[in-house]
Amino acid sequence: GAVVSQHPSWVICKSGTSVKIECRSLDFQATTMFWYRQFPKQSLMLMATSNEGSKATYEQGVEKDKFLINHASLTLSTLTVTSAHPEDSSFYICSARALLDPNTGELFFGEGSRLTVL
Amino acid sequence: AQSVSQHNHHVILSEAASLELGCNYSYGGTVNLFWYVQYPGQHLQLLLKYFSGDPLVKGIKGFEAEFIKSKFSFNLRKPSVQWSDTAEYFCAVKGRGSTLGRLYFGRGTQLTVWP
Repeated sequence: GAVVSQHPSWVICKSGTSVKIECRSLDFQATTMFWYRQFPKQSLMLMATSNEGSKATYEQGVEKDKFLINHASLTLSTLTVTSAHPEDSSFYICSARALLDPNTGELFFGEGSRLTVL
Repeated sequence: AQSVSQHNHHVILSEAASLELGCNYSYGGTVNLFWYVQYPGQHLQLLLKYFSGDPLVKGIKGFEAEFIKSKFSFNLRKPSVQWSDTAEYFCAVKGRGSTLGRLYFGRGTQLTVWP
């Protein structure tokens, strides 16, 4: 299957700083990428949908100014957690869709990035 | 709004036992349904998916799932589990016709298989 890579896989930061997480599709072009957040023992919560060259679409309850998403190219989307606080500590997962058709395109997932805010 | 319910949070089985994990969803239109698996320390992988046609779909590693529209269910089954099936299993739904193609997940079921 297609490969989606996230970087960093693990990051620790101080409260108040900003952290950027990258999501790359390594062997395909992804017109759409999705960002999820996963709490321990819980499901993946969809945060936002990122389309190349346009603004991200955020799910209800997700602060767009807190979680900045940029999808500047067909192979790269970034999530920046601004002014991070301990409650932002979580596992962030991105996924990418290879085909243009949202009804048939399979999603491929990155390995996830674990953020710990001290 | 779409939602996905997985009834079993943690299932413990012995090798060779049969498995069935429940998944129910709520959505007002036609859906695509998925089961993903997450092995310890690894990323999510697609087990199987249903888009249309035969409601009984077969996936990798001997897994299958049956879509029952009247029950809004998409239960995952395997006749004989192996120790290597120990993982977390997620059911997911995507509404067809959604221009964004967003995928919504259940909270997951942790499967532990004892050798």
